[in-house]
Amino acid sequence: EILMTQSPATLSVSPGERATLSCRASQTVTSKLAWYQQKLGQAPRLLIYGASTRAPGVPARFSGSGSGTDFTLTISSLQSEDCAIYYCQQYNKWPPGTFGQGTKVEIK
Amino acid sequence: QVQLQESGPGLVKPSETLSLTCSVSGDSISSGDYYWTWIRQPPGQGLEWIGYIYNSGSIYYNPSLRSRVTLSLDMSRDQLSLRLTSVTAADTAVYYCAAVNVDTVVTAHSWYYEFWGRGTLVTVSS
Repeated sequence: EILMTQSPATLSVSPGERATLSCRASQTVTSKLAWYQQKLGQAPRLLIYGASTRAPGVPARFSGSGSGTDFTLTISSLQSEDCAIYYCQQYNKWPPGTFGQGTKVEIK
Repeated sequence: QVQLQESGPGLVKPSETLSLTCSVSGDSISSGDYYWTWIRQPPGQGLEWIGYIYNSGSIYYNPSLRSRVTLSLDMSRDQLSLRLTSVTAADTAVYYCAAVNVDTVVTAHSWYYEFWGRGTLVTVSS
């Protein structure tokens, strides 16, 4: 099983500042990586797939990068509505793919 | 846009059967556009995949749950169902249904969850 490790567990960022979230795979997943956003009480939402492709309707301030084992989700200018838990998921080996434990993003 | 909504009892007694339903709107289960999946998240823990079902009858379960879980579809109601038998406290979790696009799987060999329900908390306790 491919293990996904996200860091940090919690990220506090001032409004308008950049937020950088990391996700590391225990073995290569090529570019088969997705990011999800889950706001409190809401359904998870697909943000990024293929490591760097934004899903329809996702604001341009969200960007993904990386390949192999190391990936990054960047929120270029944090907005209050971006407070959420963010999960990465590899799908190089599927079904079902495996998820990271999540990073909670909060406003400083 | 596909919308999913889970429903079912919030409390189940140990050793009994957990039964949940996920109602689908915005697409028809019979269209064959999606693999329909169940995922759960115990409190404070990560996401665990339970299984998927497709309208052709194809079903795949997480090996760790295979002996206790049954997935089914009701195409007339556009609903998918989950049954988990002999539950214990370890089955306490938020249960989600989610949709994986068939085209994405076939053309890009990619299995990611395009749409999710909000989830429903099931607590196993006497």
